[in-house]
Amino acid sequence: GAGVSQSPSNKVTEKGKDVELRCDPISGHTALYWYRQSLGQGLEFLIYFQGNSAPDKSGLPSDRFSAERTGGSVSTLTIQRTQQEDSAVYLCASSFPRVAKNIQYFGAGTRLSVL
Amino acid sequence: GQQLNQSPQSMFIQEGEDVSMNCTSSSIFNTWLWYKQDPGEGPVLLIALYKAGELTSNGRLTAQFGITRKDSFLNISASIPSDVGIYFCAGSGTYKYIFGTGTRLKVLA
Repeated sequence: GAGVSQSPSNKVTEKGKDVELRCDPISGHTALYWYRQSLGQGLEFLIYFQGNSAPDKSGLPSDRFSAERTGGSVSTLTIQRTQQEDSAVYLCASSFPRVAKNIQYFGAGTRLSVL
Repeated sequence: GQQLNQSPQSMFIQEGEDVSMNCTSSSIFNTWLWYKQDPGEGPVLLIALYKAGELTSNGRLTAQFGITRKDSFLNISASIPSDVGIYFCAGSGTYKYIFGTGTRLKVLA
């Protein structure tokens, strides 16, 4: 696609439920990032995928968070047993390091509200 | 997680005024990026800097990569109402970017 696409744009869930957030990167971009943005805060790095390399999961806040990237394109961020503190905007970005000096292009985000 | 020190946190200015914001880090970076985020949207890239001392302009925006490689600033000249939003800096040494806490700009017409 023309830009990074994220779905859903908004998600309201009950505490304890699992949620899946989807990111469709820019076509051809080999790198994909997930960030979390809490209200009034900056972007917190969660996880990074690059090609077929093992992902950098160092930013995932707990083992309730996981992400996968199938076929080097679409990525899914899963949060299990959601807690109220998980409420935030989850942003996805993609880049093509070899061509565009790793400039990241962001999607509009998924706003997650855990009741 | 680690974040850059970005200042000011927020500012109200009159239309037509110039704006200046900066980011500082304890780490050396190879790349500095400046983004703007509008409500309900993802950050949009404004300026990218790749060399210490580099000064780059994009319309009314000017950004510089500090000589020490630990800081960067962004200036906006002759602000207009549509400049309102949150401005983020981001620094990178490798593939991972560290983001500033943001500067919230409000422009009074």
